[in-house]
Amino acid sequence: GENVEQHPSTLSVQEGDSAVIKCTYSDSASNYFPWYKQELGKRPQLIIDIRSNVGEKKDQRIAVTLNKTAKHFSLHITETQPEDSAVYFCAAPRRGSGNTGKLIFGQGTTLQVKP
Amino acid sequence: EPEVTQTPSHQVTQMGQEVILRCVPISNHLYFYWYRQILGQKVEFLVSFYNNEISEKSEIFDDQFSVERPDGSNFTLKIRSTKLEDSAMYFCASQEGAAGLQFFGPGTRLTVL
Repeated sequence: GENVEQHPSTLSVQEGDSAVIKCTYSDSASNYFPWYKQELGKRPQLIIDIRSNVGEKKDQRIAVTLNKTAKHFSLHITETQPEDSAVYFCAAPRRGSGNTGKLIFGQGTTLQVKP
Repeated sequence: EPEVTQTPSHQVTQMGQEVILRCVPISNHLYFYWYRQILGQKVEFLVSFYNNEISEKSEIFDDQFSVERPDGSNFTLKIRSTKLEDSAMYFCASQEGAAGLQFFGPGTRLTVL
């Protein structure tokens, strides 16, 4: 089936604390896993992705981990700041004809960083 | 940095009317997508387009929907006879190659009255 499960649905942290968002996927053929940040009324903005041949990737305060065996991947934000407040979506591609890969999105996590 | 653009930003229409949503993908990208997002919900796939034809479409993408790439730059989504439940944010996305990342446009908020 096509399913990406994302938890938690809401997350509230104090500024400076870490935030972790977790996703599971079902399609073993998915070969990369992007994370999108969406501020209210704005586009989903790609913030980081991880390829299926890598276990971890870091970009400043953001890191993603991937466990292919368990079909889990996670987003870690350290030293959170108020401007990190947004809805975060994980996604996994599902290969279709013509080599297109529609993204299956998780349900989203609303992150609130309290100053 | 090149970005996907979409027009209009907001479209209000009466039920039963036709609407055309426009997208200009990033110029060297080859794969194009439409997604929609009902308020407060997740982003859902509608259709993918490659090599001037539809590659895949979802159950949402029924006979009322069509896509076109009329010239080398624009990618349009047409809804022939809008329904109330078509009210949503519609996002266009483009992708450079089969293994590339998808970049989203700013969206068109469609309101059907």
